[in-house]
Amino acid sequence: AQSVTQPDIHITVSEGASLELRCNYSYGATPYLFWYVQSPGQGLQLLLKYFSGDTLVQGIKGFEAEFKRSQSSFNLRKPSVHWSDAAEYFCAVESGGNQFYFGTGTSLTVIP
Amino acid sequence: DSGVTQTPKHLITATGQRVTLRCSPRSGDLSVYWYQQSLDQGLQFLIQYYNGEERAKGNILERFSAQQFPDLHSELNLSSLELGDSALYFCASSELAGGYNEQFFGPGTRLTVL
Repeated sequence: AQSVTQPDIHITVSEGASLELRCNYSYGATPYLFWYVQSPGQGLQLLLKYFSGDTLVQGIKGFEAEFKRSQSSFNLRKPSVHWSDAAEYFCAVESGGNQFYFGTGTSLTVIP
Repeated sequence: DSGVTQTPKHLITATGQRVTLRCSPRSGDLSVYWYQQSLDQGLQFLIQYYNGEERAKGNILERFSAQQFPDLHSELNLSSLELGDSALYFCASSELAGGYNEQFFGPGTRLTVL
């Protein structure tokens, strides 16, 4: 069965520090991959997505993610975190037939 | 503001009851998705409609049903409610039906079953 794993439930970083959120997926082929952000009391907002081509994708708000087929990973990165980045981050996979699977989320706290 | 609206924002009801959640997609979007977010199960895809037709089905219970109307708004009907159905229900919309299309999420309806 398809699955998405976000091993870090909660991460705390200092403002200005770099950030990496991990995501691993289980799927035979290369799925469509997404990262979403959810601020408290809000719906999800798409940060970036990967379908094919260049394995390093750029998103909104200064985020990027790298697809590594050999590791079945799609980790999200940001070189310098801002206090406004504090939120819940979800990795998601579309595994074909419009079936979407989400990870359990990583909660990001940013300390001044 | 994503342009997707959901009503009501909050709903409190009792076990065994039936409720209807409503979603209006962004102007021009033909596809609507429903998701359930709970502490137990996380975020789960329930069902997708495209231009009035069911397109994909996820982990939707038989007690739940949905439809998309000619004006493209969608309703999610939850019946014989159980305590475990308490969750945040999100609607999302996209322009087209393919899985690669960006989905725009509404603010959600928080359902509490007592």
